[in-house]
Amino acid sequence: GESVGLHLPTLSVQEGDNSIINCAYSNSASDYFIWYKQESGKGPQFIIDIRSNMDKRQGQRVTVLLNKTVKHLSLQIAATQPGDSAVYFCAENGGGNQFYFGTGTSLTVIP
Amino acid sequence: DAMVIQNPRYQVTQFGKPVTLSCSQTLNHNVMYWYQQKSSQAPKLLFHYYDKDFNNEADTPDNFQSRRPNTSFCFLDIRSPGLGDAAMYLCATSTAGLDTQYFGPGTRLTVL
Repeated sequence: GESVGLHLPTLSVQEGDNSIINCAYSNSASDYFIWYKQESGKGPQFIIDIRSNMDKRQGQRVTVLLNKTVKHLSLQIAATQPGDSAVYFCAENGGGNQFYFGTGTSLTVIP
Repeated sequence: DAMVIQNPRYQVTQFGKPVTLSCSQTLNHNVMYWYQQKSSQAPKLLFHYYDKDFNNEADTPDNFQSRRPNTSFCFLDIRSPGLGDAAMYLCATSTAGLDTQYFGPGTRLTVL
């Protein structure tokens, strides 16, 4: 499958601070990306997506940035809350219907 | 209003004893996926169906098979489970590759 990796395996932030989670991808032809949140014992939950014709997309408290030049994605979470503690994955559409996941970053929010 | 349902949530099987995991969806999506997720790792795509068209990943072992008898249901068959097959198995659906995937809660498989 495609190679989609994350720079940091763990991240700890203070409650109320902003969090930034990074992801590198290898397939320059990928044209759709998704960020997922996965809590312990549950399936991945969709957070936000972005298509390759965009550089930035905002949701509620979350922003995804896409830099196609360096094949890099980031997820920004504003005013991080304890409920944001989870593992975050980026996933890349590898052509056709396949999606390939990155390594994951475990986010811990310190109250 | 569950959308992607997986049964059972927990499955225990014996080494070498065939096991079947089930997934159903109420979304009427064309594509259904099976992923394997081991502890502290990312989900790994095993295969997917686009309608009745089966698409296997090159590195998926032959021990893993799948069936999709209709739009709503998809099964994962593990013919001879080994200890290394213990994992969470996730089912997901989407309308197409350039659209969001929806995941079920997963089935945690234990192999004794």
